[in-house]
Amino acid sequence: NAGVTQTPKFQVLKTGQSMTLQCAQDMNHEYMSWYRQDPGMGLRLIHYSVGAGITDQGEVPNGYNVSRSTTEDFPLRLLSAAPSQTSVYFCASRPAPGPSYEQYFGPGTRLTVT
Amino acid sequence: ILNVEQSPQSLHVQEGDSTNFTCSFPSSNFYALHWYRWETAKSPEALFVMTLNGDEKKKGRISATLNTKEGYSYLYIKGSQPEDSATYLCAFIRGTASKLTFGTGTRLQVTL
Repeated sequence: NAGVTQTPKFQVLKTGQSMTLQCAQDMNHEYMSWYRQDPGMGLRLIHYSVGAGITDQGEVPNGYNVSRSTTEDFPLRLLSAAPSQTSVYFCASRPAPGPSYEQYFGPGTRLTVT
Repeated sequence: ILNVEQSPQSLHVQEGDSTNFTCSFPSSNFYALHWYRWETAKSPEALFVMTLNGDEKKKGRISATLNTKEGYSYLYIKGSQPEDSATYLCAFIRGTASKLTFGTGTRLQVTL
């Protein structure tokens, strides 16, 4: 199993550009989520999904869209990039939404918005 | 917004020292508490998932305890080794929600 994969690893955008961060998992996990990691802030939840076709907002959803058309994929779209979105983005999955399941993280995407 | 506090923020110990960190969380509507280990340039990896008051978990030299009534969990490392150097994160799930709320972590550095 590849686990949770993310592409790209690094990306530089100009303000106002849009892009999609890709996330895929091959473990048939129901639950997937996106976090951003900023210095001194820890991991903050952007959006999450409890299954294909179901998504919901996390703590910091503004400026981001998600969709979940398949169990495997959970892309994160930046609609109009802003310097405040410079961060490291982690995708994660777990077998089901239940609290006793540990979460598996992807390798991260480092995004810089100039 | 849930407050999950971790202390200390960073810790520097010598090889062979034993150490412990604290994770504090709201004691009402507790559902689960997760611990993750995060090495530099890697992704966080799960250490423990704890759901019951009084839970104690152990993996090698690392163990954790949970007190849901007072809202804290301790992570212990016995005989620290340089390979234990990492950031240790705790994450809290409240009520019937599925979302994890992470603390900002304790950064541990173990030197020879």
